[in-house]
Amino acid sequence: EPEVTQTPSHQVTQMGQEVILRCVPISNHLYFYWYRQILGQKVEFLVSFYNNEISEKSEIFDDQFSVERPDGSNFTLKIRSTKLEDSAMYFCASRSEGLARTGELFFGEGSRLTVL
Amino acid sequence: DAKTTQPNSMESNEEEPVHLPCNHSTISGTDYIHWYRQLPSQGPEYVIHGLTSNVNNRMASLAIAEDRKSSTLILHRATLRDAAVYYCILSGGPQGAQKLVFGQGTRLTINP
Repeated sequence: EPEVTQTPSHQVTQMGQEVILRCVPISNHLYFYWYRQILGQKVEFLVSFYNNEISEKSEIFDDQFSVERPDGSNFTLKIRSTKLEDSAMYFCASRSEGLARTGELFFGEGSRLTVL
Repeated sequence: DAKTTQPNSMESNEEEPVHLPCNHSTISGTDYIHWYRQLPSQGPEYVIHGLTSNVNNRMASLAIAEDRKSSTLILHRATLRDAAVYYCILSGGPQGAQKLVFGQGTRLTINP
């Protein structure tokens, strides 16, 4: 069964460092998303991406964050200068067509980011 | 985003049916009702979705009230593996890169 894969599974970084989280969405999918989940809290939407541009972003997704689809297969989330409060599990997700029609958003297993 | 209300937690026994309720009194005519679940230490996972009619799939059934202001996710025979946080989410409107907005969900505990 096709799946969304994310790397690394866990990254530890120092505050102020840049971090890139990588995702390989399912190959025929067109819509891509990043979510995050701080430990013990709910899953929060960060950004959606379609046709090589951001479709929507949340208030959390400030200038420190950026997304890119550099090569047609990977989908990356960059945090330019990490803060302690960026420590969280980051989930990548993708879907193939209209959300209402398929109903299914496929999530990866997540990348745990720990900022020290 | 239209809001849903779910109990914080529920408990059931293995091999018994589980009915997880969700209230969405402000649902609009074009909103679909989606259910996802999150197993411990995993990403969210699609369970089922529907618009007006009841829906069945291999994982669960979705019963939607006639006025669509509430719905119930039914796990017909719970297993220990069904212990998870279950999220009821509304989405709708025109096609596009629509996000899902997760609430706190219902934490389901299954007793052996």
